[in-house]
Amino acid sequence: NAGVTQTPKFQVLKTGQSMTLQCAQDMNHEYMSWYRQDPGMGLRLIHYSVGAGITDQGEVPNGYNVSRSTTEDFPLRLLSAAPSQTSVYFCASSYQGAGNTIYFGEGSWLTVV
Amino acid sequence: TQLLEQSPQFLSIQEGENLTVYCNSSSVFSSLQWYRQEPGEGPVLLVTVVTGGEVKKLKRLTFQFGDARKDSSLHITAAQPGDTGLYLCAGHSDSNYQLIWGAGTKLIIKP
Repeated sequence: NAGVTQTPKFQVLKTGQSMTLQCAQDMNHEYMSWYRQDPGMGLRLIHYSVGAGITDQGEVPNGYNVSRSTTEDFPLRLLSAAPSQTSVYFCASSYQGAGNTIYFGEGSWLTVV
Repeated sequence: TQLLEQSPQFLSIQEGENLTVYCNSSSVFSSLQWYRQEPGEGPVLLVTVVTGGEVKKLKRLTFQFGDARKDSSLHITAAQPGDTGLYLCAGHSDSNYQLIWGAGTKLIIKP
């Protein structure tokens, strides 16, 4: 079972560069989301989607774009990387509704120098 | 703004000891979840509680949802090194689909 697959696992970027973190799920989940995790701050929601063609901003959306052209895929784009975007990024998916299990990818470690 | 405060932030104990970690809020949640995250991996769901006063057991782990559905606790009996990890609580509010996450409790169990 693939579950939620994120790529790349590790990436080093220079300030100002752009890149895309890929995320795919094979569980037919409507809801997908991107989080960043920083020490002592828990998980912070960047963007989320409740279905193909629908995206919305989370708590910390600035500097990031997303799209949801299919149910399976939810890429996260960094438009112009900044050192403040150095973090661990997690993609997650679930069925809609409170209390449903959220499945996370293994994480993408991004360093911006 | 809804907040979930977890305590303690960090706990290091010897194998075999008991421990309790807490997840507290002033807001009411329709459900609350506990996740465990191991280094280099994403969080994995341990349990979901939905009813005030509910108690769920998962082997040596006991989860309780407060009567008012504003807080929760996780008690581990006879902790083992395999319990080491970051424990995160997350709550769904009655009015907002988004999950509210606590900052986590980092637990280290020393052999």
